[in-house]
Amino acid sequence: NAGVTQTPKFRILKIGQSMTLQCTQDMNHNYMYWYRQDPGMGLKLIYYSVGAGITDKGEVPNGYNVSRSTTEDFPLRLELAAPSQTSVYFCASSGGDITTQYFGPGTRLTVL
Amino acid sequence: TQLLEQSPQFLSIQEGENLTVYCNSSSVFSSLQWYRQEPGEGPVLLVTVVTGGEVKKLKRLTFQFGDARKDSSLHITAAQPGDTGLYLCAGAGNNDMRFGAGTRLTVKP
Repeated sequence: NAGVTQTPKFRILKIGQSMTLQCTQDMNHNYMYWYRQDPGMGLKLIYYSVGAGITDKGEVPNGYNVSRSTTEDFPLRLELAAPSQTSVYFCASSGGDITTQYFGPGTRLTVL
Repeated sequence: TQLLEQSPQFLSIQEGENLTVYCNSSSVFSSLQWYRQEPGEGPVLLVTVVTGGEVKKLKRLTFQFGDARKDSSLHITAAQPGDTGLYLCAGAGNNDMRFGAGTRLTVKP
């Protein structure tokens, strides 16, 4: 039981490039989330999903897209990377209780 | 503007000292969570408080939810170097949670 896994762990992008951050959970959780964590700013919700085929915007969705074709996977897509997207990205999942979230180890993204 | 304000932002103490960190909001939450995050890792849930005035203890950690369910505190007794980390509070909404910016605690041996 691996919990929530994220790949890659680190990535450097040039401005305008695109990439997909991968997130997989093996706990059969319905709820999945993407957060970004900037220094001194805590965690900001980007997108979330309440089940396969259903996604919704969080606090800071601009510049990102998500999909949820299966219960296990919740990839985050950056289409045109900008320096403002330099951050640490965390994926999380939860079962019926949204207050108990299990986080992945994070992806540190730098856009130059 | 943070929905949840945490204070202090940074705290550095010696092993064996006691400390309290705070989480305050102008909003009422149905529940409030405390997470701890270590460098290079994701946050890990410590506790959830639900009832106004509720006190929960986890070994040397004591969590309290304010009577009006707008604020919470975390008290650590006899801090140890293993308590070092970023302590985040979070409040639950309908389908999501909002996090504070955290208190970064360093406990020196």
